[in-house]
Amino acid sequence: DGGITQSPKYLFRKEGQNVTLSCEQNLNHDAMYWYRQDPGQGLRLIYYSQIVNDFQKGDIAEGYSVSREKKESFPLTVTSAQKNPTAFYLCASSAGRVRNQPQHFGDGTRLSIL
Amino acid sequence: ELKVEQNPLFLSMQEGKNYTIYCNYSTTSDRLYWYRQDPGKSLESLFVLLSNGAVKQEGRLMASLDTKARLSTLHITAAVHDLSATYFCAVDSTSGTYKYIFGTGTRLKVLA
Repeated sequence: DGGITQSPKYLFRKEGQNVTLSCEQNLNHDAMYWYRQDPGQGLRLIYYSQIVNDFQKGDIAEGYSVSREKKESFPLTVTSAQKNPTAFYLCASSAGRVRNQPQHFGDGTRLSIL
Repeated sequence: ELKVEQNPLFLSMQEGKNYTIYCNYSTTSDRLYWYRQDPGKSLESLFVLLSNGAVKQEGRLMASLDTKARLSTLHITAAVHDLSATYFCAVDSTSGTYKYIFGTGTRLKVLA
């Protein structure tokens, strides 16, 4: 079955540590996205990528970094510069140029500070 | 800048009642999406509305789109407890990018 796989499901970060969240899709989608969701809140866009080797900042990119070396993979690094990283992180993908389709979401990664 | 607003933000309703969630957006778009999120879970696509006047129905939920008014509605008929969730609408950015702009979400609680 096609879909999006995020790992790990839960992640703990120590002070001063960088951590990387994995996102893999086998839907052959061009576009991929990272969102942050705080408790009881909506989705805020961190980064998105429309094509391999290209990505754009979203609304809250500070303290985060991404790469898009392969079409199916879009990992997110939460750096030590992100002072309040505790949140639910959602990865999504979309068909991009065929723009009549919704985004598909992974199951999410819940990040907490130790 | 494209903005998407939903109301109400919170909705508590009795089983068997009807209610409507509203989604307003600030610039022209002819594509609107509705999602459902259960507590602690990811988002699940409910409806894709692709043109003015589009109406989609699934069970007790019906979504419609009025692109002239820049308004979409999600109507709940005879609510049941299983519909308790947070509902988000989202609109395609018209800036030439592949961004989707999400509404604030409506947290629905259906009381038995």
